[in-house]
Amino acid sequence: QKEVEQNSGPLSVPEGAIASLNCTYSDRGSQSFFWYRQYSGKSPELIMFIYSNGDKEDGRFTAQLNKASQYVSLLIRDSQPSDSATYLCAVKPAGGTSYGKLTFGQGTILTVHP
Amino acid sequence: EPEVTQTPSHQVTQMGQEVILRCVPISNHLYFYWYRQILGQKVEFLVSFYNNEISEKSEIFDDQFSVERPDGSNFTLKIRSTKLEDSAMYFCASGAGTDTQYFGPGTRLTVL
Repeated sequence: QKEVEQNSGPLSVPEGAIASLNCTYSDRGSQSFFWYRQYSGKSPELIMFIYSNGDKEDGRFTAQLNKASQYVSLLIRDSQPSDSATYLCAVKPAGGTSYGKLTFGQGTILTVHP
Repeated sequence: EPEVTQTPSHQVTQMGQEVILRCVPISNHLYFYWYRQILGQKVEFLVSFYNNEISEKSEIFDDQFSVERPDGSNFTLKIRSTKLEDSAMYFCASGAGTDTQYFGPGTRLTVL
């Protein structure tokens, strides 16, 4: 069973701080990694994706991937109360036969307090 | 900005009844997906659909489930004989390729 694990939190940070969200995955051959944000009662919203080891930055968000450690993280700089949501890590398996099936973690609840 | 739409937003049905959940993917996308999320649980993959056929399905997607793209715009999920445990949010997603997937707002299915 290929698993994606996240600390369910809740993670509470003050406004303006850096929030750090972590995710580990069991399938060493996984090739694509995604971060989604899900507000309560809403659908997952794609924030960013990463394929290669290292960092990828998009505005206030930075995704970090370490395939050797099977670890992916999301940093949110200058956190705002509107960032309060559940953050879902999703992994796409390796292989040419994959048509995009995503395996999701259980999500980390982030609360940014003023 | 184009987005995935889903109808209805909430469906209530009796156990054993058939339901059809409808989705309109983003117009130039070629890959279509259904996921579900039971309240308080993970988002789970059900099925992917490409080139008018199922390309991949999970163990959840058994014989009571089916998908169809009846025309050039709609993508449907049919549950033939609903069970109490089918109560969940059902999300449709689409992608231009197999990587980035964009989710619709979901249909909340309640089976009584």
